[in-house]
Amino acid sequence: GENVEQHPSTLSVQEGDSAVIKCTYSDSASNYFPWYKQELGKGPQLIIDIRSNVGEKKDQRIAVTLNKTAKHFSLHITETQPEDSAVYFCAASTDSGYALNFGKGTSLLVTP
Amino acid sequence: DSGVTQTPKHLITATGQRVTLRCSPRSGDLSVYWYQQSLDQGLQFLIQYYNGEERAKGNILERFSAQQFPDLHSELNLSSLELGDSALYFCASCQGANTGELFFGEGSRLTVL
Repeated sequence: GENVEQHPSTLSVQEGDSAVIKCTYSDSASNYFPWYKQELGKGPQLIIDIRSNVGEKKDQRIAVTLNKTAKHFSLHITETQPEDSAVYFCAASTDSGYALNFGKGTSLLVTP
Repeated sequence: DSGVTQTPKHLITATGQRVTLRCSPRSGDLSVYWYQQSLDQGLQFLIQYYNGEERAKGNILERFSAQQFPDLHSELNLSSLELGDSALYFCASCQGANTGELFFGEGSRLTVL
C-alpha cells in the first residue's frame, strides 16, 4: 500500500519567516495530494490540495509543489503568523478512491 | 464547525471492556471514514463506509468493527480493549465514494486503564 513520509516532525520559525514541510510517497499511482492543518483539540482541516496534472498551486500565503518523477510534494507557508502554529499533515491517494494515507505530521511553532 | 458530530468526546474504560463510538456525517455526505490518531503513528486509516456498505479497510484490528446505518450515521465498536488502544478516534465524511475533501469531526478520546 501507499506509504507517506513527512519531514520534519517539528519546525520552529520566527514570525514573518517561511516554513517548508516535505513529503514523499511510494505509490506511483497516487494522484491526489492534500494538506491538512490540525489545531489543538480540533480535527484536521483541509488547507490546500493538488492533483497530479498540476505542478504547483497557491492560495494566498500557502503553496504546494509536486514533483511526480521524484514522488515528493511540499507545503510552503510564507510570512508565517502565530496563528499558523498547528500540526500539518500531508496525505496521498489515488482517484480510484479509498482512503487518504497520511504522513505522521509536522508540529509547526511560529514564535512572535 | 465541520458539520461532523462525534460522541462521546472523552471515554475512560478498563482493559477487556467494549466501547462504541458514534459519528454523524455532514448533511448530504454518503461516505464515512474512521481514523485512529496516536502520538507515534499519526493518522491511521481504519475503515470506510459508503452509503451503508463497507468500501475500504485499512489497519483495522479484528477486535474492532464498524457499520453505517440507513440514516448514514456510523458506529465504531472496539472490544477486548488493550492499553495500546488508547488514542483519539476521528470520523470524517465526504460526499462521494472516492477521495475528495474530508471533513473531520473533533474526535473521541479513548483512554484504556
